[in-house]
Amino acid sequence: DAGVIQSPRHEVTEMGQEVTLRCKPISGHNSLFWYRQTMMRGLELLIYFNNNVPIDDSGMPEDRFSAKMPNASFSTLKIQPSEPRDSAVYFCASISSGTNSNYNEQFFGPGTRLTVL
Amino acid sequence: GQNIDQPTEMTATEGAIVQINCTYQTSGFNGLFWYQQHAGEAPTFLSYNVLDGLEEKGRFSSFLSRSKGYSYLLLKELQMKDSASYLCAVPPYNTDKLIFGTGTRLQVFP
Repeated sequence: DAGVIQSPRHEVTEMGQEVTLRCKPISGHNSLFWYRQTMMRGLELLIYFNNNVPIDDSGMPEDRFSAKMPNASFSTLKIQPSEPRDSAVYFCASISSGTNSNYNEQFFGPGTRLTVL
Repeated sequence: GQNIDQPTEMTATEGAIVQINCTYQTSGFNGLFWYQQHAGEAPTFLSYNVLDGLEEKGRFSSFLSRSKGYSYLLLKELQMKDSASYLCAVPPYNTDKLIFGTGTRLQVFP
């Protein structure tokens, strides 16, 4: 399996521009998570989906952020308009939820390093 | 809500043993995870504890005390490649999401 795939790996943009980050979860996984990581705040959960439905978006910072999961194999995180304080590494992770295992290990993608100038 | 506390940084010498502590406060308990993250890379799963006691996995072991809200990760026979951040995480009860601590950056010196 290719693992969780994210694109782009690096993005540099100017303040005010729209940014779209993409994620393909591991095939067969039914829960997907978007995280943001900065030195100051660590790894923060932004939103997560189960069976393509948003379950918890309490971590989404503000209306400039939106996320969609149109099907089981694709999700996007959009920032519009972007601001310098959005500069961070954005990770996507997926799990196979509801299995008989005692725990659900999250598998992380390689991340997208976003720089907003 | 959840609150997780870890030391920010630790240093150790190659071949030594190091213990990274994590204290947590959570409403309901559903296990505790440890992840390793090398600089510039994604976090990777190390261990999961849901019952009290020590879980050993090669050079790495993880301990949990639910009554004390305390866990530690024990790394033995340290190698240079163990230099990384170690993240403690707990899932809020009955959810699949994880709340991460800020991580402990471990530097191993020769």
